[in-house]
Amino acid sequence: DAGITQSPRHKVTETGTPVTLRCHQTENHRYMYWYRQDPGHGLRLIHYSYGVKDTDKGEVSDGYSVSRSKTEDFLLTLESATSSQTSVYFCAISPGMNEQYFGPGTRLTVT
Amino acid sequence: AQSVTQPDIHITVSEGASLELRCNYSYGATPYLFWYVQSPGQGLQLLLKYFSGDTLVQGIKGFEAEFKRSQSSFNLRKPSVHWSDAAEYFCAVTLYGQNFVFGPGTRLSVLP
Repeated sequence: DAGITQSPRHKVTETGTPVTLRCHQTENHRYMYWYRQDPGHGLRLIHYSYGVKDTDKGEVSDGYSVSRSKTEDFLLTLESATSSQTSVYFCAISPGMNEQYFGPGTRLTVT
Repeated sequence: AQSVTQPDIHITVSEGASLELRCNYSYGATPYLFWYVQSPGQGLQLLLKYFSGDTLVQGIKGFEAEFKRSQSSFNLRKPSVHWSDAAEYFCAVTLYGQNFVFGPGTRLSVLP
């Protein structure tokens, strides 16, 4: 399995609080992605990164920001969490324009 | 707009029966195509992929998929399903490898 970890694995937070999820890889892959998974929607891309400090928006980026200051770490921040952001968040990595490898996911509940 | 559809939300098959999961895409050009499997509480695992060449591709766990350009489809098949195949299956596509689009998923149940 690709070396991808996500932290925390579970989090419960209150509406309006900031939340940061971390994705860490040991594969030195260039591309990193954040997705959210909701029933009936599959996975939807939030943001992705194609290099250190190089990021771009995905399909559902509103309310989320990202940062990548090192190759191995990709952070997803919810500046002010809302109940609609309750979801399972997956990080993925890719060496290039081919398949992705996924982390174990973070289950986030916003109350 | 670019999209991926998986017409079947839930499929139930008996163990030992054959399986076909459907995937259709709507893109201006032929994208790269993938099938992933997700077991409950787990991340996604790549089953197989199609970039070019032979339109019938073999994957892990005895799965195969056939790309049909005329139908914009990439259906996943397995000749004999095992109970351990019960999971959710996602079709995914990308044109340039930066923006992957996933279908909504098909949940597979296997009867003993």
